[in-house]
Order: sequence, then structure tokens, then C-alpha cells
Amino acid sequence: KAGVTQTPRYLIKTRGQQVTLSCSPISGHRSVSWYQQTPGQGLQFLFEYFSETQRNKGNFPGRFSGRQFSNSRSEMNVSTLELGDSALYLCASSWTTETARRGYTFGSGTRLTVV
Amino acid sequence: DAKTTQPTSMDCAEGRAANLPCNHSTISGNEYVYWYRQIHSQGPQYIIHGLKNNETNEMASLIITEDRKSSTLILPHATLRDTAVYYCIVRVAVGGADGLTFGKGTHLIIQP
Repeated sequence: KAGVTQTPRYLIKTRGQQVTLSCSPISGHRSVSWYQQTPGQGLQFLFEYFSETQRNKGNFPGRFSGRQFSNSRSEMNVSTLELGDSALYLCASSWTTETARRGYTFGSGTRLTVV
Repeated sequence: DAKTTQPTSMDCAEGRAANLPCNHSTISGNEYVYWYRQIHSQGPQYIIHGLKNNETNEMASLIITEDRKSSTLILPHATLRDTAVYYCIVRVAVGGADGLTFGKGTHLIIQP
């Protein structure tokens, strides 16, 4: 079956702009979570959605937001981009918020560069 | 979630068993041990998880000490494609306030 699909794969934006990233989870998975990966901070949790509701949120400013649609697809938005937002943004899906089954399945990520 | 300690890097010869240690001395009774790996430029990949008993699947084996304060991930016959950063994570099975907490992981390099 198809894996987790993230679009676009690469993106270049200018400081001050906003960006929207998309994630399509594995069919049947209802939980989608987002992570930011940078060389300095490593992999950091942004937020998790389940059945269109945000369940958990990491320690990121309000410029980072997300949503989940009824088909479980999710988007994350970053407004007023800063240079430090340059990162690999990863999406992960699982059947529920329970992680003790097969864990999370990650997509290949969107590489965002802010110039 | 409990903090984990892993070596920064390890080498292993191709075809040999790779044994990756992880210390989690503050693990709670309801926390599982999960292992993920990340091959360069890809998203992390789930490998295996366990609570108390040793576990084995098609990718690896997980050995958890009786006191649960440490564990070892074993890749029985390492190949060059196993070169990756391996993350040991401990967390509860359901919910959790902060998603998966990834540390620095162990950079495993398989030598030909």
C-alpha cells in the first residue's frame, strides 16, 4: 500500500512569506503528526492530529499551525517565515494515537529553505 | 518521557552483528522502548519496540535487561544499507504530551 506522501519535496521561500505543507497519511491511518528536523536541534515534535482534532502540541511559536481534514490528510502552515525555519519537515501517520502497535510511519519530508 | 543515552557513533563490519546499546535508567513501568532509524535524507523508519520481554522481527532483535534500565538493538547480519542514525526512544504507548522525543541517536557506519 502507498506510504505517507508529503508535498512538495523541496520549497524555497523568502523571509516574511508564509508556506503550507501537505501530508497524506497511509490509507486508514487517522493520526498525523509533524516534526521539524534541523542540524542544530535535531528532530522536534510540532503537533499531532487525530480525527481532525489537535491532540498534542510541541514547544513552537504560534506561527506554526496545522489542521487535519475529514479524509485524514493534514496540512501545516508557517506564517511570517524566518531564516531559522529552514528545515526538513516530516509527517508521520499511525492508525491511532497509540504507538504500541507498529509505531509511526514517516514520510520523506519537505525540505524548506528560507532565504 | 524518560531520557535515553546512546553512543554518538559506532562502526560494524558488513555481515557481522551490530549491537546498539541504549541506557534508559529512569524508565517508568508503563513506558515502552522503541527503536527508529533514519537513513540519510529520508524520514525515520520504525524498527521494533518492547516493554519487558525480548522481541524479534524481520529487521532486528531487541534485548531489554531485567531491570529495564537498558536495552540493546541487534541487527544480526549488518549490510551497507544499515548505515543510518539509530534512535532509542522510551514513551508510553498511548497519548503522550510531546510526540516522539528523539535524542541525538547513534550513527552506525557499516564498513565493507
